[in-house]
Amino acid sequence: GDSVTQMEGPVTLSEEAFLTINCTYTATGYPSLFWYVQYPGEGLQLLLKATKADDKGSNKGFEATYRKETTSFHLEKGSVQVSDSAVYFCALSDTGGSYIPTFGRGTSLIVHP
Amino acid sequence: GAVVSQHPSRVICKSGTSVKIECRSLDFQATTMFWYRQFPKQSLMLMATSNEGSKATYEQGVEKDKFLINHASLTLSTLTVTSAHPEDSSFYICSAIGSKGETQYFGPGTRLLVL
Repeated sequence: GDSVTQMEGPVTLSEEAFLTINCTYTATGYPSLFWYVQYPGEGLQLLLKATKADDKGSNKGFEATYRKETTSFHLEKGSVQVSDSAVYFCALSDTGGSYIPTFGRGTSLIVHP
Repeated sequence: GAVVSQHPSRVICKSGTSVKIECRSLDFQATTMFWYRQFPKQSLMLMATSNEGSKATYEQGVEKDKFLINHASLTLSTLTVTSAHPEDSSFYICSAIGSKGETQYFGPGTRLLVL
C-alpha cells in the first residue's frame, strides 16, 4: 500500500538557518503530494502541494519539488523564523478517486531566536 | 482558500456522557468529509470517511457504535462520541474535499477531555 516516510524529529534550528525536512513515499500510480503544517493547538493547514512529477510547490518561503525518480518531496526553506515552529506533515493522495490521504508521522520543527 | 470550521474547539465532559462535534465547510460543498483522531505527538489516524447522504465508512478498529458519524448535508458532518470514557480523550480533526479537487481542507480541531 501507499506510505510516507518522514525524517524523525524534532529538528532544532536557530533563526535564519536553512531547513530541510526529508520526505519519501511509496505509491502505485501517480499520487499528488502535500505538505501540511500544524501549529500548536491547531488543526492542519495546507502549506503547499504538487500534483505531478517535477512540479514545485511553494508558499511562505517554503518549497518542495516532486521527484519521481527518487520518490521524494523534501521540504526546504532558506531562512527559518521562530514563527515557523510547528509540526510538518508530508502526505500523498491517490488520484485514482478515493482522495484519502496517507500521512507521514510528522516532523516537529523548533526554531530558537 | 476553502474554510472548514469545527465546533466546539474544546470540550470537557464527564465519563458516560455523549459529545457531539460539528464540522462545517463554510464556502464550498463538501462531497466527502473525513474524521481523524490525533494522539499527542503523533500523526493523524483516519477514523472514518463520510459522504453526504450515505453511511460512513469506518477504518478497521474504529467502533462505529462508539463514534457515530452523520453527514446530513453538503456542508455539515457530525461526530458523536457516545458514552465517552477517559481513553476517548484526544484531538479530533475533520477535513473536507469538494467535488472537483483532491486537496483536503482541515478544520481547526476539537480537543476532547473526558474526566
